[in-house]
Amino acid sequence: ETGVTQSPTHLIKTRGQQVTLRCSSQSGHNTVSWYQQALGQGPQFIFQYYREEENGRGNFPPRFSGLQFPNYSSELNVNALELDDSALYLCASSPGARTTENEQFFGPGTRLTVL
Amino acid sequence: GQSLEQPSEVTAVEGAIVQINCTYQTSGFYGLSWYQQHDGGAPTFLSYNALDGLEETGRFSSFLSRSDSYGYLLLQELQMKDSASYFCAVRDPNAGNMLTFGGGTRLMVKP
Repeated sequence: ETGVTQSPTHLIKTRGQQVTLRCSSQSGHNTVSWYQQALGQGPQFIFQYYREEENGRGNFPPRFSGLQFPNYSSELNVNALELDDSALYLCASSPGARTTENEQFFGPGTRLTVL
Repeated sequence: GQSLEQPSEVTAVEGAIVQINCTYQTSGFYGLSWYQQHDGGAPTFLSYNALDGLEETGRFSSFLSRSDSYGYLLLQELQMKDSASYFCAVRDPNAGNMLTFGGGTRLMVKP
């Protein structure tokens, strides 16, 4: 148990809809990252937040956006869902400074299916 | 860009030793990490190498050679519960703090 929780566990949406996924980091963890993991592949970095500001982004379009709140919770929002967005979405938190953290504590993920 | 290469699948028997290799290409480099992920589970951190050499943590060891852009994870005294996917990952400071994962190596431990 890492202390990182995510909701919901599973979600089914249709193409074109919008979705919000939620993550609760461990208390005191100022950095949260979001990843997309397709079946049989490694996690793909979406973006990272440090103290409520985005400080890193992967190769994902602007319809992927996020927020981090002072209470160590965060959100991933995806607009105009596409079939290829079907994946496991993972959040991961880390306690310290943003740039050199390598140990991240992952939540169990949200399995999103887009029909 | 960044890329990491690791074998897609490895099979070994209980009690044996297995080595999972990882080669990487990045413009910048902070260190090489390894994560374990059981089916349906979350990735869990195993080890991190910032400097060349071997890091040992119980049955698991990880090695890094920065000059060769290469590392490996060594698992000793394999147990059935070690059956999982193993990912190497690097953080590139020149790529927006992005942590890039390899495609993963699926380890199957047989009795």
